[in-house]
Amino acid sequence: DMKVTQMPRYLIKRMGENVLLECGQDMSHETMYWYRQDPGLGLQLIYISYDVDSNSEGDIPKGYRVSRKKREHFSLILDSAKTNQTSVYFCASHGTGGPDTQYFGPGTRLLVL
Amino acid sequence: KTQVEQSPQSLVVRQGENCVLQCNYSVTPDNHLRWFKQDTGKGLVSLTVLVHENDKTSNGRYSATLDKDAKHSTLHITATLLDDTATYICVVADRGSALGRLHFGAGTQLIVIP
Repeated sequence: DMKVTQMPRYLIKRMGENVLLECGQDMSHETMYWYRQDPGLGLQLIYISYDVDSNSEGDIPKGYRVSRKKREHFSLILDSAKTNQTSVYFCASHGTGGPDTQYFGPGTRLLVL
Repeated sequence: KTQVEQSPQSLVVRQGENCVLQCNYSVTPDNHLRWFKQDTGKGLVSLTVLVHENDKTSNGRYSATLDKDAKHSTLHITATLLDDTATYICVVADRGSALGRLHFGAGTQLIVIP
């Protein structure tokens, strides 16, 4: 029963193209996140959004930007994608009820050629 | 510097055997620790969360312990099944709220063979 959705699930782009990854949640969570997962590494935080138009850089924001115009949607944008942005991207959301109100999306596999 | 270290990196067991996965961390403060299961190509599914010093949790065949003094957690899987084949990820939160940061381990890849 998926509460956080991501689109698309798979994407192939050429270097220099723009990429839009979308994330949605239906729990009215204020806080949402974008992470990337690479082999041999833990998930790395790209951006956090605390609510509409209230976004903060995570640990690896370079090359990415985000947009949050509605509480239920959080987009990750790659302007002019690079091959080293090939990765699996995860969106997550967090409610106010403590650790049990945190959910992850199924991930988007992005390949940049 | 990686603040959450998991061992072993990978593990192969036969169906029916038990196994133990380890997580050591240096995150401070350490509000809670959670174990996730990640099937290949899928998202993270929460198995259990440990909050207090010397917490022990049980969720079916999964059980976990937390030693906050030692900053160490273990995940025990008993009577493994083929469907247990997955990557198990240890995550430490430095706060209990959404304002906190999550620190992820790289995961232990468990393979269960017939």
